[in-house]
Amino acid sequence: DAGVIQSPRHEVTEMGQEVTLRCKPISGHNSLFWYRQTMMRGLELLIYFNNNVPIDDSGMPEDRFSAKMPNASFSTLKIQPSEPRDSAVYFCASSLGESTGELFFGEGSRLTVL
Amino acid sequence: SQQGEEDPQALSIQEGENATMNCSYKTSINNLQWYRQNSGRGLVHLILIRSNEREKHSGRLRVTLDTSKKSSSLLITASRAADTASYFCAPHAGKSTFGDGTTLTVKP
Repeated sequence: DAGVIQSPRHEVTEMGQEVTLRCKPISGHNSLFWYRQTMMRGLELLIYFNNNVPIDDSGMPEDRFSAKMPNASFSTLKIQPSEPRDSAVYFCASSLGESTGELFFGEGSRLTVL
Repeated sequence: SQQGEEDPQALSIQEGENATMNCSYKTSINNLQWYRQNSGRGLVHLILIRSNEREKHSGRLRVTLDTSKKSSSLLITASRAADTASYFCAPHAGKSTFGDGTTLTVKP
């Protein structure tokens, strides 16, 4: 099992540019979560999907952020336009289901917005 | 929010000693989980304890849960330098949210 796969691992971009982060969950998992981690705010839940449907996006900071899950094996988190305060490590995690809860995390995408 | 709050924020011990970390939360839960994060890596699941369980063991890990006090503890026995990491609790009820964690340093 390859685990949760995230790309890119590192991204450096300039303010105003569009950023797309990608995630491939573990096969057979039906819940997918996007988290953001910073020193100031810790680990924040941005959005999660169950069976490809967004269930709770209350953690998405603002309209510049959007997330999609077009199928069970792929999700994207997009920031447009990006700002320096978006600099963080973005983690994707998947689980068998909401009731199970055990999360399997990817290695994260470190985003730096200059 | 069922976000867990870990205590202490930081803990430094000698190799071989035991490390105890505590977690408090505010709402009813289905289960509570503990995770470890090594520097620069993703979180790794350590152990899950269900709301109807009071204690659970896994290797050198011992977790307790007191739902009446809405608290949990994680004990790592005979610590090793490799246990140096941040530890997070995640009270779970549909989704998992995390506190700031406890940073554990185990000195060789």
